[in-house]
Amino acid sequence: NAGVTQTPKFQVLKTGQSMTLQCAQDMNHEYMSWYRQDPGMGLRLIHYSVGAGITDQGEVPNGYNVSRSTTEDFPLRLLSAAPSQTSVYFCASSLAGGDQETQYFGPGTRLLVL
Amino acid sequence: AQKVTQAQTEISVVEKEDVTLDCVYETRDTTYYLFWYKQPPSGELVFLIRRNSFDEQNEISGRYSWNFQKSTSSFNFTITASQVVDSAVYFCALRAPYNQGGKLIFGQGTELSVKP
Repeated sequence: NAGVTQTPKFQVLKTGQSMTLQCAQDMNHEYMSWYRQDPGMGLRLIHYSVGAGITDQGEVPNGYNVSRSTTEDFPLRLLSAAPSQTSVYFCASSLAGGDQETQYFGPGTRLLVL
Repeated sequence: AQKVTQAQTEISVVEKEDVTLDCVYETRDTTYYLFWYKQPPSGELVFLIRRNSFDEQNEISGRYSWNFQKSTSSFNFTITASQVVDSAVYFCALRAPYNQGGKLIFGQGTELSVKP
């Protein structure tokens, strides 16, 4: 049971490049989410999914796309990277979307956009 | 609106001291859930505890204890006999209800430094 896994751990992009941050969980969790962590801003929700085929926007969705074709995977796509997207990205999952459920986090992806 | 405030940005203690990290929250919900996470220097976010609003019993786990007081909307975290390995950023969080996206609303975090 690996929990929540994220790849890559670290990535450097040039402005305008695209990339996909991978997130997978093996706990059969229905709810998955992406947060970004920035100094002074804390953790902010980018997108979330309450189940396969269902996604919705969080607080800071601009510049990011997501899809959820399987229960296990929830990739985050940057279509045209910008320096403002330099951040640490965390994927999280919970059994369901109810507020009683604990969200478990992946190890994070550190992204630098030049 | 829901909000979590951790007023202590940084705390520095010497090993074996006790330390309390403060957390104050705001919510209009009558039932809600609070969480604490630890972020060590390695960067991952580690779940520590979940507390629901209708259980005001204090929780103790080894050197860690949590004091939940609904009357003051606080959920404070105490580390007894702190150790260097406790050095980390600690986040208090409130989870929004399902119909509000179920996101975690984090405080700004308290950076704890335990010196030998």
